[in-house]
Amino acid sequence: LAKTTQPISMDSYEGQEVNITCSHNNIATNDYITWYQQFPSQGPRFIIQGYKTKVTNEVASLFIPADRKSSTLSLPRVSLSDTAVYYCLVGDKHNQGGKLIFGQGTELSVKP
Amino acid sequence: DAMVIQNPRYQVTQFGKPVTLSCSQTLNHNVMYWYQQKSSQAPKLLFHYYDKDFNNEADTPDNFQSRRPNTSFCFLDIRSPGLGDAAMYLCATSRVGTGTEAFFGQGTRLTVV
Repeated sequence: LAKTTQPISMDSYEGQEVNITCSHNNIATNDYITWYQQFPSQGPRFIIQGYKTKVTNEVASLFIPADRKSSTLSLPRVSLSDTAVYYCLVGDKHNQGGKLIFGQGTELSVKP
Repeated sequence: DAMVIQNPRYQVTQFGKPVTLSCSQTLNHNVMYWYQQKSSQAPKLLFHYYDKDFNNEADTPDNFQSRRPNTSFCFLDIRSPGLGDAAMYLCATSRVGTGTEAFFGQGTRLTVV
């Protein structure tokens, strides 16, 4: 399984765009990149998943360079409610009985 | 429309007294996971099922067992809880072919007294 590395914490202010980068140097050909958000005392929530280039949904964008050794989660115009821990995971796209291993995550603090 | 349901949300047990946590899902997903999460740490995978195939993580203590009697239900049994087993226990499900998209329950907060 590819190991992921993220910043431990980040600070931002309301209304700013936040970019969180994850390194996954050993990513395999069949691996997808997935990001989760977790609030205190709740289970993680799926945000976005991608394989290459750019993926966008109503919550975030995910940028993946051509070599796929890193990815960047972009949160547009954050609000106080985006304060949470964000996890980057890498795993096989078929997930045939595969594992989901969480790295340390990035604790995002959004200030007024 | 809860999809992954964990019961109870909060569980208090005595040191050494067996305890069972339960998880049910309405998604008909074939993969189910159990995680342990301690304060300020990432979720740690204990084991997972692919249908009935059980996969134990190498560092999961023998004190932890799991059962999956059918697709919808999965149980975590802690045979002799110690103070160090106090944590949030998370259940998750996923479907083969969807990459690493998983659905998590709200978790059960276990306190050992």
